[in-house]
Amino acid sequence: EAGVAQSPRYKIIEKRQSVAFWCNPISGHATLYWYQQILGQGPKLLIQFQNNGVVDDSQLPKDRFSAERLKGVDSTLKIQPAKLEDSAVYLCASSKRGMGLDEQYFGPGTRLTVT
Amino acid sequence: GQQLNQSPQSMFIQEGEDVSMNCTSSSIFNTWLWYKQEPGEGPVLLIALYKAGELTSNGRLTAQFGITRKDSFLNISASIPSDVGIYFCAVMNYGGSQGNLIFGKGTKLSVKP
Repeated sequence: EAGVAQSPRYKIIEKRQSVAFWCNPISGHATLYWYQQILGQGPKLLIQFQNNGVVDDSQLPKDRFSAERLKGVDSTLKIQPAKLEDSAVYLCASSKRGMGLDEQYFGPGTRLTVT
Repeated sequence: GQQLNQSPQSMFIQEGEDVSMNCTSSSIFNTWLWYKQEPGEGPVLLIALYKAGELTSNGRLTAQFGITRKDSFLNISASIPSDVGIYFCAVMNYGGSQGNLIFGKGTKLSVKP
């Protein structure tokens, strides 16, 4: 079974530029998560989708971050405009149903550097 | 916001030694998990704990869910070089209709052959 796929793996941009990340979850997984992992920290949830609907986006900086999962499968996360403090690894994860006992499977992440 | 305190922050050990790390919270959580993250990869689930006082093993790994539901520890016995990585504790936060994970800051493990 293929794992969670993410692209690109690395991205370097200047502050105030825009960037987009793509995630393809494990086939059949209804729930998709985007996490931000700053160096030296654990992952922090940004947004959670159940199929194509948003379940939790309480920690998403909505003035600059947006995410969509239009067909309930793959997802994109966008930052516009980027700030220096957005430098981090952006992890995508998926789970079958998103219920409490469901394991979340993580992709390899996209490492973003904002200069 | 809710926070998990993980210790130690880093460990340097000799191959063959046993390792112990722990995680505490000021709030009660009913599901505790331990993940391992290797460079350039996402976290991978090692052990999940669902019942206070539960002791669960996975090979050389043993984890316990504290009786107060505010802490957990992870032990690794007879460490080997491939144990190198960052170990995160996490809890399931049941807010709203579905749960989400809150992670600690991690314990970085280095193993000297």
